[in-house]
Amino acid sequence: GQNIDQPTEMTATEGAIVQINCTYQTSGFNGLFWYQQHAGEAPTFLSYNVLDGLEEKGRFSSFLSRSKGYSYLLLKELQMKDSASYLCAVTLSGGYNKLIFGAGTRLAVHP
Amino acid sequence: DAMVIQNPRYQVTQFGKPVTLSCSQTLNHNVMYWYQQKSSQAPKLLFHYYDKDFNNEADTPDNFQSRRPNTSFCFLDIRSPGLGDAAMYLCATSPGGGGETQYFGPGTRLLVL
Repeated sequence: GQNIDQPTEMTATEGAIVQINCTYQTSGFNGLFWYQQHAGEAPTFLSYNVLDGLEEKGRFSSFLSRSKGYSYLLLKELQMKDSASYLCAVTLSGGYNKLIFGAGTRLAVHP
Repeated sequence: DAMVIQNPRYQVTQFGKPVTLSCSQTLNHNVMYWYQQKSSQAPKLLFHYYDKDFNNEADTPDNFQSRRPNTSFCFLDIRSPGLGDAAMYLCATSPGGGGETQYFGPGTRLLVL
């Protein structure tokens, strides 16, 4: 079976840094996506990691370790608008880019 | 702007009454996906089309059907909605290849009375 784990909820303070972890056990692995989803809205793309290492994109960075089945999303200089769910999703090798989503981490940023 | 459009944003139907949700895209992508997302849960893939090639997930109930009459449009038909089918239904597209970003529409929230 496919298993993707992330914490259910996290809280952080405006201006701080937060790290959201994701571990996965899947049959086949191509790459890992992070999506942001505000309540009642569609997921929006944040990052995609295929190789081990850190990908930095503005305030957001994403890290992948394929050997450990582990990724994290790092959010810096948190803003109130960053309050959302963050979905980790694995794309499997073979097939048409099928995404297996984790249940998401609900992040609350407070003043 | 190129985008993925879903109509309606909110749909109310009665228990057992067939309902159709629609998705259109201006991205000219080959692949279209339908996901079901229940409250506080992960989006769950129901099926996808690669061009006209239909791919059903093994655990998608027979109650759910899909049509893709052309590249731009894709429909989700729920033949006899039950209370457990109340959810957000997300349509997504991707160009057609490995390791691609999927672009999501705003979703249709279905309420079953």
